[in-house]
Amino acid sequence: SQTIHQWPATLVQPVGSPLSLECTVEGTSNPNLYWYRQAAGRGLQLLFYSVGIGQISSEVPQNLSASRPQDRQFILSSKKLLLSDSGFYLCAWSVSVWGAHTQYFGPGTRLTVL
Amino acid sequence: AQSVTQPDIHITVSEGASLELRCNYSYGATPYLFWYVQSPGQGLQLLLKYFSGDTLVQGIKGFEAEFKRSQSSFNLRKPSVHWSDAAEYFCAVGAPGTGTASKLTFGTGTRLQVML
Repeated sequence: SQTIHQWPATLVQPVGSPLSLECTVEGTSNPNLYWYRQAAGRGLQLLFYSVGIGQISSEVPQNLSASRPQDRQFILSSKKLLLSDSGFYLCAWSVSVWGAHTQYFGPGTRLTVL
Repeated sequence: AQSVTQPDIHITVSEGASLELRCNYSYGATPYLFWYVQSPGQGLQLLLKYFSGDTLVQGIKGFEAEFKRSQSSFNLRKPSVHWSDAAEYFCAVGAPGTGTASKLTFGTGTRLQVML
């Protein structure tokens, strides 16, 4: 069966520091991968998605970036964190079944920027 | 572009009572529709999904949802709520035919509180 991992689970970082969040998927090949941010009391905002190694699409302009160095690895990064980057970051994966995708989510990373 | 509205921010029901969470979408054709549940500090768990066919969809944990094209709705129901159902529920819509990446648009969520 497929599983998705995210680490770290929680992170407290000072403003201006770098960021690296990692997401890995097991039990599937060539998944689509997604990064979402969930701010307190709000819905999910899609940040990036990837349909293959090295292929990244950005949904929202910001100081974050994403990379996909391996088929089942998705990394969210920042060179300098802002206070507004605080939130709950969720990674998701999907594969096509008869042309339809269902997204499955990881456990999330709670990021607090102080 | 598609959009999703969950008109109820917060709902409180008694344990054993029935539940209906509302979801309305905006999309020019028949979309893909999903309900997810999120417990505090956790990721999202898929409850059920609708792609095509039978408009009444059964999901996990005793939940069901009905797609009503005429009302652009996909309401989530459960006949008898358990205290463990207390969580936040998200409705999401995806657009068929968007290529290899199927992006979802999420509603802002409905927080369910269950009174014992």
